[in-house]
Amino acid sequence: GAVVSQHPSRVICKSGTSVKIECRSLDFQATTMFWYRQFPKQSLMLMATSNEGSKATYEQGVEKDKFLINHASLTLSTLTVTSAHPEDSSFYICSAREFEQFFGPGTRLTVL
Amino acid sequence: GDSVTQMEGPVTLSEEAFLTINCTYTATGYPSLFWYVQYPGEGLQLLLKATKADDKGSNKGFEATYRKETTSFHLEKGSVQVSDSAVYFCALSEGSSYKLIFGSGTRLLVRP
Repeated sequence: GAVVSQHPSRVICKSGTSVKIECRSLDFQATTMFWYRQFPKQSLMLMATSNEGSKATYEQGVEKDKFLINHASLTLSTLTVTSAHPEDSSFYICSAREFEQFFGPGTRLTVL
Repeated sequence: GDSVTQMEGPVTLSEEAFLTINCTYTATGYPSLFWYVQYPGEGLQLLLKATKADDKGSNKGFEATYRKETTSFHLEKGSVQVSDSAVYFCALSEGSSYKLIFGSGTRLLVRP
């Protein structure tokens, strides 16, 4: 099946810094990528839908200025958590859509 | 809005036992229904899906039937293996947006 990678797999940062997470579709081109956030023992919550070459569409309640999404190519989308705070600590998962959604392994963000 | 409810885990079974993980949904239209599986350290993988009422999705011995009258999509397997230990997510997608709405996940632990 299609492979989606995320980098880094884990990141620890200080409060107030920004963190960038990359999501790549390795063997297919994805016009649409999705970013999810998963809290412990909870469901995946869709944060935004990202289409190549256009602005991301954010779900209600997601701060677009805090979670910057860029989908500059058909194989790469990035999520930047700006001015991160401890409440932003979470597991972030991306997916890329070909004929179905293929998920990356996730990135564990810990903000100290 | 649309939502998915699945049984809380963890579910602990002995090898070769019968598995049922309940999933019910709420949707305004006619969604497609999915089961995803997340093995330790890996991304979510599509296990099976059904796109209309009375469809049965099946894969790797797992089955689920789209029941419109009970708004359910319960996952079943006749004989589980230790290798089935994972977290299972029920999800729905409605319309052409391809957005997925997930249940909270159910952890399955199969003991030898």
